[in-house]
Amino acid sequence: NAGVTQTPKFQVLKTGQSMTLQCAQDMNHEYMSWYRQDPGMGLRLIHYSVGAGITDQGEVPNGYNVSRSTTEDFPLRLLSAAPSQTSVYFCASSPRGRITLNEKLFFGSGTQLSVL
Amino acid sequence: LAKTTQPISMDSYEGQEVNITCSHNNIATNDYITWYQQFPSQGPRFIIQGYKTKVTNEVASLFIPADRKSSTLSLPRVSLSDTAVYYCLVGDGGGATNKLIFGTGTLLAVQP
Repeated sequence: NAGVTQTPKFQVLKTGQSMTLQCAQDMNHEYMSWYRQDPGMGLRLIHYSVGAGITDQGEVPNGYNVSRSTTEDFPLRLLSAAPSQTSVYFCASSPRGRITLNEKLFFGSGTQLSVL
Repeated sequence: LAKTTQPISMDSYEGQEVNITCSHNNIATNDYITWYQQFPSQGPRFIIQGYKTKVTNEVASLFIPADRKSSTLSLPRVSLSDTAVYYCLVGDGGGATNKLIFGTGTLLAVQP
């Protein structure tokens, strides 16, 4: 059981380049989300989705696009990378995305992105 | 947005009990409180969840007072391998509980 799979694990971009961070889960979870983690800043929510075709903004959505065409996949797109987007990115999923009994987030192993 | 407040860092020695407190003044009535542990170069993982009073599992205990405005994660007899960042997580508090906001977390450093 793979859980939450993120690719790539490492990526270096030049300013202005575009790329897509991939996230897939095989647990049939309705809820998926993206976080970025910077030193001293904890985990900050970028975008989230409560089901196929539904996405919403988190705390820091600017510069990022998402779509949810299937239950399994939730890619994160950087249209024009900037040095401020250098960070570690984590994808997470849960059955319904609620803080209720037996709900928990499952995280991927992360993508380390450097923008030069 | 609901905010959680935790100490930025804590130091401990092997064998000691460690208590990490999280403040969450805007927690919604139906929200549970969940704690996560993150080791370096890994994604966070769930460790314990509670609604009120006390919950205990094989890893930790969670104490929640009646007003639920705070919670305390208790790690008994820590070892070097408990060195990690610990996060508490509550819902948004504004009704949109799908917006899962983490705080800055607490870096626990366990010394030999």
